[in-house]
Amino acid sequence: GIQVEQSPPDLILQEGANSTLRCNFSDSVNNLQWFHQNPWGQLINLFYIPSGTKQNGRLSATTVATERYSLLYISSSQTTDSGVYFCAVRNSGYALNFGKGTSLLVTP
Amino acid sequence: DTAVSQTPKYLVTQMGNDKSIKCEQNLGHDTMYWYKQDSKKFLKIMFSYNNKELIINETVPNRFSPKSPDKAHLNLHINSLELGDSAVYFCASSADLGEKLFFGSGTQLSVL
Repeated sequence: GIQVEQSPPDLILQEGANSTLRCNFSDSVNNLQWFHQNPWGQLINLFYIPSGTKQNGRLSATTVATERYSLLYISSSQTTDSGVYFCAVRNSGYALNFGKGTSLLVTP
Repeated sequence: DTAVSQTPKYLVTQMGNDKSIKCEQNLGHDTMYWYKQDSKKFLKIMFSYNNKELIINETVPNRFSPKSPDKAHLNLHINSLELGDSAVYFCASSADLGEKLFFGSGTQLSVL
């Protein structure tokens, strides 16, 4: 099956800093989504982005499908951004395959 | 109103017992899923139903049986619970196959 690698695995930021999270995948995809799992365990869909660029407030995402990667940008980070960020992709079949996530801690 | 709701939030039980987790979505979606998140936070698909038809059935022990009485509900029944079944189980839905995925709040299952 398709392999999904996320980097870095862990990240610590001070409030106000910017960061970039990366998702590499081993094959072409027709579906890519980014999720945030907050410290209480809730999984929130951030972006549905199989290609191109999207922005939502302080967050933006870019997927370069031809080069098999996606980037999630977090600007002016806040403590509420803490949690685990997952990238999930699909190339065939019906299931989304998740990466292992990037664990982000934003300190005051 | 909660879009995807699952109950119970916590489930603590003894080995060998049978338990069920219920899931309901009020988004009008056609597709529902069960995911398992292990202790290392890895998320893996277990099952998916589209319009009440089972379309994904990953390598899951047959002690796990999903049931979809209608498009808005997908329940998970687990027989003869084992220690290794301890995990967080998430229900999710999407408008159709491959569309944007919305998760419930999860059920923390602890098997003692």
